[in-house]
Amino acid sequence: EVQLVESGGGLVQPGRALRLSCTASGFTFGDYAMSWVRQAPGKGLEWVGFIRRKAYGGTTEYAASVKGRFTISRDDSKSIAYLQMNSLKIEDTAVYYCTRAGGYYYYFDYWGQGTLVTVSS
Amino acid sequence: DIQMTQSPSSLSASVGDRVTFTCRASQRISSYLNWYQLKPGKAPKLLIYAASSLQSGVPSRFSGSGSGTDFTLTISSLQPEDFATYYCQQSYSTWTFGQGTKVEIK
Repeated sequence: EVQLVESGGGLVQPGRALRLSCTASGFTFGDYAMSWVRQAPGKGLEWVGFIRRKAYGGTTEYAASVKGRFTISRDDSKSIAYLQMNSLKIEDTAVYYCTRAGGYYYYFDYWGQGTLVTVSS
Repeated sequence: DIQMTQSPSSLSASVGDRVTFTCRASQRISSYLNWYQLKPGKAPKLLIYAASSLQSGVPSRFSGSGSGTDFTLTISSLQPEDFATYYCQQSYSTWTFGQGTKVEIK
């Protein structure tokens, strides 16, 4: 069974940093791209970032709202994807979901339960 | 950036109703269109990928259609567990979600 479990969320002050982890199981992690999506309170879904599998260079893509502040990485030996969030802003407050990106169309076929990040002074 | 517009933003329906949502892309995206279901406190769920392909395990009452800029998601007979919010997403050029359609009980 495919499982994605996010961790690392919590309360953080504006301007500070936080790192989220996504621990995967039930599939060969290195064979898949991974992505992060967030949902701010009362708002819709927003794509945050994406990392390709190593066979395709392990390259990354980011939404304009987080580019230059957030970094996605992966450790295939541990089946973990990371989201490093620097210079956090109040508007980064959201539930952050880890997703597996599958298929030719790179749809998000499995999602974690999410972890809440609250940016507040 | 590609913008996705869903309509309606919400709708009220009864169990057994046939409901259809629409999603429009700001430019042509071929069939790079996916649909997701969100329920409070639960992990989002992929329903349809590539505009019309049913994700494994998803009931056959869900169907998707469209290509280019205009897409639809149809639930042929609404069930109690289908009351949720539905999002379309384009994966043609990075990824963008629509603003969602919330299905409420009439």
